[in-house]
Amino acid sequence: GAVVSQHPSWVICKSGTSVKIECRSLDFQATTMFWYRQFPKQSLMLMATSNEGSKATYEQGVEKDKFLINHASLTLSTLTVTSAHPEDSSFYICSAENRVQETQYFGPGTRLLVL
Amino acid sequence: SQKIEQNSEALNIQEGKTATLTCNYTNYSPAYLQWYRQDPGRGPVFLLLIRENEKEKRKERLKVTFDTTLKQSLFHITASQPADSATYLCALDYGGSQGNLIFGKGTKLSVKP
Repeated sequence: GAVVSQHPSWVICKSGTSVKIECRSLDFQATTMFWYRQFPKQSLMLMATSNEGSKATYEQGVEKDKFLINHASLTLSTLTVTSAHPEDSSFYICSAENRVQETQYFGPGTRLLVL
Repeated sequence: SQKIEQNSEALNIQEGKTATLTCNYTNYSPAYLQWYRQDPGRGPVFLLLIRENEKEKRKERLKVTFDTTLKQSLFHITASQPADSATYLCALDYGGSQGNLIFGKGTKLSVKP
């Protein structure tokens, strides 16, 4: 199946710092990528839709100034958590849309711990 | 608002048996219903997609059914193996932008040898 990578796989940072997470689709071009957040024993919650070359679309309740998304190429989207706080600690997962196969391929996730 | 429920948080079965997981939803039916596998600390892995006009779909030991009258999908793993132990997520897809996936909380399947 298609491969989507995320980097880093985990990160620990101090409160107030910014963290950038990269999502790459390795074997297909993805016009659209998605960012999800998952808390323990909870379902994945869509945060935003990232479209190559245009502004991201954020879900209700997600602060666009806090979670900056950039989708500069067909294979790379980045999520920057600005001024991270402990409540931002979570598992962040990206996915890339494969329109031919009518599905999304998910990255392995990035675990963020803010101290 | 749309709600999606997976029958149980955890399911324990014996190796070789068939595991059956349930996904129920309220309100209107999605265009597609998808099933994913998620291992601890990992992202979901796509397994199967079934369309609203399809009753059943199979892939190797996996079978998915979709009943829009009951608003339910069943996910079966036949001849289950310990390696099948994972959390299985169902997701509703209402078409259009693929980002409109609504995920259930998942059912954690444990297959005992």
